[in-house]
Amino acid sequence: QQQVKQSPQSLIVQKGGISIINCAYENTAFDYFPWYQQFPGKGPALLIAIRPDVSEKKEGRFTISFNKSAKQFSLHIMDSQPGDSATYFCAASRAAGNKLTFGGGTRVLVKP
Amino acid sequence: EPEVTQTPSHQVTQMGQEVILRCVPISNHLYFYWYRQILGQKVEFLVSFYNNEISEKSEIFDDQFSVERPDGSNFTLKIRSTKLEDSAMYFCASSSSGLAGGYTFGSGTRLTVV
Repeated sequence: QQQVKQSPQSLIVQKGGISIINCAYENTAFDYFPWYQQFPGKGPALLIAIRPDVSEKKEGRFTISFNKSAKQFSLHIMDSQPGDSATYFCAASRAAGNKLTFGGGTRVLVKP
Repeated sequence: EPEVTQTPSHQVTQMGQEVILRCVPISNHLYFYWYRQILGQKVEFLVSFYNNEISEKSEIFDDQFSVERPDGSNFTLKIRSTKLEDSAMYFCASSSSGLAGGYTFGSGTRLTVV
């Protein structure tokens, strides 16, 4: 019940295209859903996060869509750039707690 | 921008040896964490630490693991007798608030057990 499932495992997109990564969770106690970006040799860095009281959050080219009834959330990267090539992890947490449960990661490659 | 610093960046150790991974959290942070990432797999929670004691630990964090804040700046993870399956990237993180959103991760220590 603690799992967060992420798909796809990898994604190739042309420069300027849209990257879409999906996550599903089981534990209804989760109420904080961040996305992390990780470059090779670096730790995960917080990209954007959402709480379940909103269905969408946008920050620049990055948008999270959240479907509470389906227990799913997704990351959209608009106008993808080669510098966006990285591994993206979704995660979930109980806001009152402090442990992050990560999805399996998606390796995104943006081709110029 | 404040950083979480981890040393060493890469450590190779013989199976059965003890290793200590070191972390310097952000100076005004009060909550500290260790996560690990086996190559090609997801990031997994190991332990959280607050007020000089463990606040939560995962099933991975068995008796072979321990954490310590030996002084005002360092936060360490000790593995007493390393196994091959302990080979992974180990990430330290710190937070000012204890809320999941306030994390800053370090760049990690790659531990290779041979």
